[in-house]
Amino acid sequence: QVQLVQSGAEVKKPGASVKVSCKASGYTFTSYYIHWVRQAPGQGLEWMGIINPSGGSTSYAQKFQGRVTVTRDTSTSTVYMDLSSLRSEDMAVYYCARGGYGDIDYWGQGTLVTVSS
Amino acid sequence: QSALTQPASVSGSPGQSITISCTGASTDVGNYNLVSWYQQHPGKAPKVMIYEGSKRPSGVSNRFSGSKSGNTASLTISGLQAEDEADYYCCSYAGSSTLVFGGGTKLTVL
Repeated sequence: QVQLVQSGAEVKKPGASVKVSCKASGYTFTSYYIHWVRQAPGQGLEWMGIINPSGGSTSYAQKFQGRVTVTRDTSTSTVYMDLSSLRSEDMAVYYCARGGYGDIDYWGQGTLVTVSS
Repeated sequence: QSALTQPASVSGSPGQSITISCTGASTDVGNYNLVSWYQQHPGKAPKVMIYEGSKRPSGVSNRFSGSKSGNTASLTISGLQAEDEADYYCCSYAGSSTLVFGGGTKLTVL
């Protein structure tokens, strides 16, 4: 069955960077896109970016341009999301999710990123 | 990339039907047949209920249906059940491999 297993919770100081991993299994890794979506406490879902694991091409929401980098390692079927210059507003649960370029069908379990001095 | 507009909350009694609207623009909802709907229970990851506007994934109850007219998409839940109480989010493709979500709607089953 399709599984997206994310790395564990992180605590970071303002200005630092965080790297969240997402290991895919149960399907052909290069056949589906991986999206990154975050959810601040008590807030809605916010789309951050996407990667095509086949060729590695990416697209990011304008809001995160220059601060987020999504990469993949096809040898381990793992996608990484790196968010830099963290501020308190970046405290959220970060989800990786599988889908086409236009939608999502499976979600990871989420990774809580806490930003605190 | 402005968020899609959803009502903050809707409610209904068991057995009734409710509809949640999702208003976008001609650059997203109105331009693509790629609207999806997600159900999220507290503390859980979202779950897809509708994709490509009106298609239901295997395993999703046929009480859930989706439609679109112009720049507005809608999710209808018929025969409301207590387990339907959750947050619902719409999502649309917005071109150039980007997605945009709605602000979410809290469904209360009275």
